[in-house]
Amino acid sequence: EVQLLESGGGLVQPGGSLRLSCATSGFTFSDYAMSWVRQAPGKGLKWVSAIVGSGGSTYYADSVKGRFTISRDNSKNTLYLQMNSLRVEDTAIYYCAKAGHTDGFDYWGQGTLVTVSS
Amino acid sequence: SYVLTQSPSISVAPGQTARITCGGNNVGSKSVHWYQQKPGQAPVMVVYDDSDRPSGIPERFSGSNSGNTATLTISRVEAGDEADYYCQVWDSSSDPWVFGGGTKLTVL
Repeated sequence: EVQLLESGGGLVQPGGSLRLSCATSGFTFSDYAMSWVRQAPGKGLKWVSAIVGSGGSTYYADSVKGRFTISRDNSKNTLYLQMNSLRVEDTAIYYCAKAGHTDGFDYWGQGTLVTVSS
Repeated sequence: SYVLTQSPSISVAPGQTARITCGGNNVGSKSVHWYQQKPGQAPVMVVYDDSDRPSGIPERFSGSNSGNTATLTISRVEAGDEADYYCQVWDSSSDPWVFGGGTKLTVL
């Protein structure tokens, strides 16, 4: 059974940093690209960042480029998102999502809430 | 960047058919994926690559895609289908993985 479990969310002041983790099991982690997708309160889904299975290529939404860094540890089956220079508008539930056979997301974690507020 | 447009809401009586549309420029040339999100829960993929269903998804869920519109069809709607539904594609633009704004399905 595929499982994705996010952690690391919380309350942080504007300009602060936070590191999210996504522990996975039930599939060969290194074979699949992974993404972070966020959802602001009461809003829709928005893709944030992606990383290929080897970790050799990364992709970012324009809104987070230069502030967020995605990475993975294939020996630990874990995905990360380092978030720096956080803004109020980064407040959201952050989901990690596994790439499917094409360019969709076939499994999602339960999400972790990040609140940026003074 | 590429834009997907969904109607904010639809209402359907139990047992009827719900059709949720997703509009985009020549979206028929792309693979469209659909997700169901119930309140307080993570999204679940219900259709991928326009019309395929992941294992465990009922046959009542189907999809089509042509021209500028992709459609998620839910037959014999049940109360448990009440949720937000999102379409998604990949586009070679600055933000490649694109979601529609979501459609809230209300079962009357």
